[in-house]
Amino acid sequence: GAVVSQHPSWVICKSGTSVKIECRSLDFQATTMFWYRQFPKQSLMLMATSNEGSKATYEQGVEKDKFLINHASLTLSTLTVTSAHPEDSSFYICSAEGGRGSGANVLTFGAGSRLTVL
Amino acid sequence: GQNIDQPTEMTATEGAIVQINCTYQTSGFNGLFWYQQHAGEAPTFLSYNVLDGLEEKGRFSSFLSRSKGYSYLLLKELQMKDSASYLCAVRDWGGATNKLIFGTGTLLAVQP
Repeated sequence: GAVVSQHPSWVICKSGTSVKIECRSLDFQATTMFWYRQFPKQSLMLMATSNEGSKATYEQGVEKDKFLINHASLTLSTLTVTSAHPEDSSFYICSAEGGRGSGANVLTFGAGSRLTVL
Repeated sequence: GQNIDQPTEMTATEGAIVQINCTYQTSGFNGLFWYQQHAGEAPTFLSYNVLDGLEEKGRFSSFLSRSKGYSYLLLKELQMKDSASYLCAVRDWGGATNKLIFGTGTLLAVQP
C-alpha cells in the first residue's frame, strides 16, 4: 500500500529559530500533499494544500510567510516553520493522495512531527 | 464554509456495538471518510462513502445519507484496542483542489 514518510518525528527548538519538516511519498507520486496541524485533544486542522511545481494554497488564518511550503518534486513536500514561537508547538501531519492499494481518493498520512518550541 | 459535528466522547463495553454519528454541511461534497487515530499517532483510513448507503468492511461499517448530511460509523464486536479517536472527514471540492476537512473527532473508550 501507499506509504508516506515524515521526518523528523520529534523536534525541539529555541524560540526564534526555523524548523523544516519533510514529507515524502515513498512508492508513489503525489502532485498534491496536504499539511495539517493538531493541538492536544483537538482534531486536525488543514493548514495548506501543497501543489507540485506551484505555490501552496493556504487556509484562512494561516500565515504563508510563517509556514513556508515547498513542493519541488512529485515525492517531496517540505514545511518550514520560520521564527518559531512557543505557540507554534503542535503536532504537524502531512498527507498525500493516491498510491496503489489506497484508492484514488484516500489520503495516506505521515506519522507526524511533534514540534516543541522552548 | 464547512461544518462537521461529532460527539466529543463515547464509552462502550468490550464485545458490544457502538455507533458514532457525524453530521456535516459543506458547499461541494465529494465523499466522506472515517479515520481512526490513536493518541500521538497519525490517522489511519477506515472507510469511504461517496454514494448513499452502507459500506461494510469487517467489524467496521459506515453509512451515508447525502440528502440529510449524515453519516455514521458502526463498530461491532468491540475490542479494547478499538479505544481511539474516530475522525469524520468530508472531502470538499474547493474549485481547484479536493480538500479533506476533519470534524472534531470522537474519543471512544472501550471498557472491559
